Amino acid sequence: GAVVSQHPSWVICKSGTSVKIECRSLDFQATTMFWYRQFPKQSLMLMATSNEGSKATYEQGVEKDKFLINHASLTLSTLTVTSAHPEDSSFYICSARTPGRAFYNSPLHFGNGTRLTVT
Amino acid sequence: SQQGEEDPQALSIQEGENATMNCSYKTSINNLQWYRQNSGRGLVHLILIRSNEREKHSGRLRVTLDTSKKSSSLLITASRAADTASYFCATDGRGAQKLVFGQGTRLTINP
Repeated sequence: GAVVSQHPSWVICKSGTSVKIECRSLDFQATTMFWYRQFPKQSLMLMATSNEGSKATYEQGVEKDKFLINHASLTLSTLTVTSAHPEDSSFYICSARTPGRAFYNSPLHFGNGTRLTVT
Repeated sequence: SQQGEEDPQALSIQEGENATMNCSYKTSINNLQWYRQNSGRGLVHLILIRSNEREKHSGRLRVTLDTSKKSSSLLITASRAADTASYFCATDGRGAQKLVFGQGTRLTINP
């Protein structure tokens, strides 16, 4: 149980275009999802916390207008990279907490990530 | 930032040997978690240890937590080639509903 599906697994786009990444909880409802960014051989950096039915909470230094997050349902959160540039090329990973457990006792379940390359 | 630091950054051992990775963090926590990441994939949760626990086992994994030193260790016994991956510790600050990850240890098991 607690499977998180992320799509697409990789995408190549031209500079200036927008890219949407989907994160779905397949067999549970996720009121909160987390979006991370990871550069090669580095750690995960939390970008934002996605809350169902309300605005996302962005981490300091993350541009809200650049990385649009929508969490319109209990099973789907989307991250849209707007007007992408080569420096946005990275590995983006979403995650959700184990349902039914308090946050302080709850592991995260991760999608398989999306490799974004902006040319 | 309460981001953890991991040591070593990279570790290469022979199959069958034990692998030990360490993690240090900065602030008080509710729990500390360890995750594994295979190259180009998402993270897989390995084990969670609460702040009031000192040691926890799961199969070939042994995790210790020393809150006085703000440190944790992950021991993988009898390593296998399939254990080759990056390992990350993650902590949540008390009252925070998000996890912050350490820098990770890249583990290579040589057959």
